Amino acid sequence: EAEVAQSPRYKITEKSQAVAFWCDPISGHATLYWYRQILGQGPELLVQFQDESVVDDSQLPKDRFSAERLKGVDSTLKIQPAELGDSAMYLCASSHNPAGGYNEQFFGPGTRLTVL
Amino acid sequence: KQEVTQIPAALSVPEGENLVLNCSFTDSAIYNLQWFRQDPGKGLTSLLLIQSSQREQTSGRLNASLDKSSGRSTLYIAASQPGDSATYLCAVDQTGANNLFFGTGTRLTVIP
Repeated sequence: EAEVAQSPRYKITEKSQAVAFWCDPISGHATLYWYRQILGQGPELLVQFQDESVVDDSQLPKDRFSAERLKGVDSTLKIQPAELGDSAMYLCASSHNPAGGYNEQFFGPGTRLTVL
Repeated sequence: KQEVTQIPAALSVPEGENLVLNCSFTDSAIYNLQWFRQDPGKGLTSLLLIQSSQREQTSGRLNASLDKSSGRSTLYIAASQPGDSATYLCAVDQTGANNLFFGTGTRLTVIP
């Protein structure tokens, strides 16, 4: 069964360092999402891609976060510099194509980031 | 901005009991509402989706209802099992663009 892949699964870093997370969506899924989930809270959308284009990054802290999906397939989310408050689970999801209504989002296992 | 609240934050029940999880949202102009399950340290799995024009959806032992005008949804789990232990999250899509606003979740423990 096709799955969304994410790596690494766990990352520990010191504040002010740079970190990067990778996501490989289900093959053929045009839409890719990055979410941040702070412990005890629900996920919050950071950025949404349609193919290689950003369609929503209104909640992305652009002073330190960046995301790219250069070829419209896999994606990288980067934080530079990392801050203590960035400690969270970073979830990636993909869906076939939201045009015309709902398309189920399939989630990856997430990357657990701890900033010391 | 849409706010989604889930009550209770945690719930423990003995195996076999029926239970109800609650979700409320502040802006009733939604496109759809979904319920997800999240196992510890893992991603989310979609359980049920209710379109704004629908009142309920059923899948096996799960039944989700939607009262859009009052900003509420419930997830009913019948004959609970230890395997149902997980965190249950509701999420609303306001525009149909699949931009989901999530609640904080209810952590369910079913005791054998």
